[in-house]
Amino acid sequence: QVQLVQSGAEVKKPGSSVEVSCKASGGAFSNSVINWVRQAPGHGLEWMGGIFPISGKTKYAQRFQDRVTITADESSSTVYMTLRSLTSDDTAMYYCAREADWVANAYDIWGQGTTVTVSS
Amino acid sequence: SYELTQPPSVSVSPGQTASITCSGNKLGDRYVYWYQQKTGQSPVLVIWQDNRRPSGIPERFSGSNSGNTATLTIRQTQPLDEADYYCQVRNRDSVDFGGGTKLTVL
Repeated sequence: QVQLVQSGAEVKKPGSSVEVSCKASGGAFSNSVINWVRQAPGHGLEWMGGIFPISGKTKYAQRFQDRVTITADESSSTVYMTLRSLTSDDTAMYYCAREADWVANAYDIWGQGTTVTVSS
Repeated sequence: SYELTQPPSVSVSPGQTASITCSGNKLGDRYVYWYQQKTGQSPVLVIWQDNRRPSGIPERFSGSNSGNTATLTIRQTQPLDEADYYCQVRNRDSVDFGGGTKLTVL
């Protein structure tokens, strides 16, 4: 059974960047799209973008297009999300989630979440 | 993007049926997915492709989608069903979530 394990909590200064990792263990990785979804405190889920590791092809939400980069390292089964030019509005829980063919591309497996706090 | 509207909250008594709606323009022409998120936990898929349940999700959970509204129905609601529920649709190059509905079982 595939598990997605994310990196630990981060505290960042405004204007800086953060990188969050998502490592897949226990099963196939490269042939599934891995997405990033964030959730600000007390708010709902917001899709940021995703990557198909085997090809490296990415898609980004328009509002993050200029600030986010998602990459994948097949050798370590790890996907990375980098968000730049951080502001306090980026304080949120960040999740990675696998998109699975067997449920018509729904997100069947989620990481445990990574808290990112942006504060001066 | 595609706008999905959910009621902020729904309340239900234990053992009763809860219905959570998700509205969008011609939503019935799309597939809708539903996720359950309990406090402090990651979301869990409960319905895919409008009305299909992943293995491990109780039969009490069902879904429908027609016209402009998709509905998640939970029969015989239990206290452990108390959570936030989110609908989701896929667009050509993006994904949209509804704002979420807090289900209270009391």
